[in-house]
Amino acid sequence: AQSVSQHNHHVILSEAASLELGCNYSYGGTVNLFWYVQYPGQHLQLLLKYFSGDPLVKGIKGFEAEFIKSKFSFNLRKPSVQWSDTAEYFCAVNPSYSGAGSYQLTFGKGTKLSVIP
Amino acid sequence: DAGVTQSPTHLIKTRGQQVTLRCSPKSGHDTVSWYQQALGQGPQFIFQYYEEEERQRGNFPDRFSGHQFPNYSSELNVNALLLGDSALYLCASSFRLLGPNERYYTFGSGTRLTVV
Repeated sequence: AQSVSQHNHHVILSEAASLELGCNYSYGGTVNLFWYVQYPGQHLQLLLKYFSGDPLVKGIKGFEAEFIKSKFSFNLRKPSVQWSDTAEYFCAVNPSYSGAGSYQLTFGKGTKLSVIP
Repeated sequence: DAGVTQSPTHLIKTRGQQVTLRCSPKSGHDTVSWYQQALGQGPQFIFQYYEEEERQRGNFPDRFSGHQFPNYSSELNVNALLLGDSALYLCASSFRLLGPNERYYTFGSGTRLTVV
């Protein structure tokens, strides 16, 4: 079974600071990787996804993530955060094959980001 | 707009009662998954429905059951409610023809269930 660890429970940054949120997963096979964002009072939204190919993935709103296979990591980055980035961020993993066991997303516990104006 | 519609948005039930939550998938999607998100935790997979059958189940007791209708909408039923069932219940939809290297999920806003 797969598992996901998000290292930071709560991150507080000032506007314009750079952001990096850690995510590590545990799984013996090939995976698809996702970052979802949950703004206050809103639904989970897909920020970016990695299926294969270029390990540097660009998502919406200036976010990017880098898949480092040797480290089982998929860290989320943004060079300059804004107050509107205040939200909870979830890393998720899904086995990359068809068949039993492959249909669930396994989520980390989430990182709450607070951006101070 | 999530595209995935869930009802009701909030619900309060008494311990021991039964509850039914509803989900309409995003247009064009035919696969529905249900997740439980406890306070301070990430969503946990309950089960997935495809072609009106439960295709995969997570580590949840039989008190949690579901159904998918021919129009792809779905219900989550929880019997004999416990205080620990209080959580946000999320529905996520996808499209079955997406291969393992294309599959992603769209989430609804959830139903907040409080068991008292």
